[in-house]
Amino acid sequence: AQRVTQPEKLLSVFKGAPVELKCNYSYSGSPELFWYVQYSRQRLQLLLRHISRESIKGFTADLNKGETSFHLKKPFAQEEDSAMYYCALSGRGNAGNMLTFGGGTRLMVKP
Amino acid sequence: GAGVSQSPSNKVTEKGKDVELRCDPISGHTALYWYRQSLGQGLEFLIYFQGNSAPDKSGLPSDRFSAERTGGSVSTLTIQRTQQEDSAVYLCASSLDWTADYEQYFGPGTRLTVT
Repeated sequence: AQRVTQPEKLLSVFKGAPVELKCNYSYSGSPELFWYVQYSRQRLQLLLRHISRESIKGFTADLNKGETSFHLKKPFAQEEDSAMYYCALSGRGNAGNMLTFGGGTRLMVKP
Repeated sequence: GAGVSQSPSNKVTEKGKDVELRCDPISGHTALYWYRQSLGQGLEFLIYFQGNSAPDKSGLPSDRFSAERTGGSVSTLTIQRTQQEDSAVYLCASSLDWTADYEQYFGPGTRLTVT
């Protein structure tokens, strides 16, 4: 079975502070990992995926297979980063690419 | 172009009634997914379509839930004899194809409240 855990329901930081949203997963095969973001009153949207290894809006995430983690990081948080963040997993090669989501972390960036 | 759309945006129904939720995917997207977002369970997968067929119905919580897709486009999620625990936001997503290479684009959701 596949599982995604986000241990923090709420993370509150000041503007300009570093941010790390934690994500751990369990999956017996080779996973695809994603971070999705939901801003207030907007739909869920893809932020980044591990396979592309790119930085989006200053956020990066590295897949650590040894620690089965995919933490999301940003060196300097901005107020506009305040949102709900979901880590998600898809089993590579699984028919359908259905996503298994973590419980989500609400990030609040204070001025 | 237009993104994924869902209707209605809000639905309040009495316990025991049937409801239908509609999803219009992005044109040309062959894969379509239904998820449910509830307070107790978070975001969970319900069912997925590749074209008009649903190879995986494993996420449907009970036999009161069913879904269909016609013409490789619009999908309808039907909940029969609704229960209070069905109250949730139902999200639809579509992607160009079914593999993880293709991003899933989400709709705005339908908020279902069962009284």
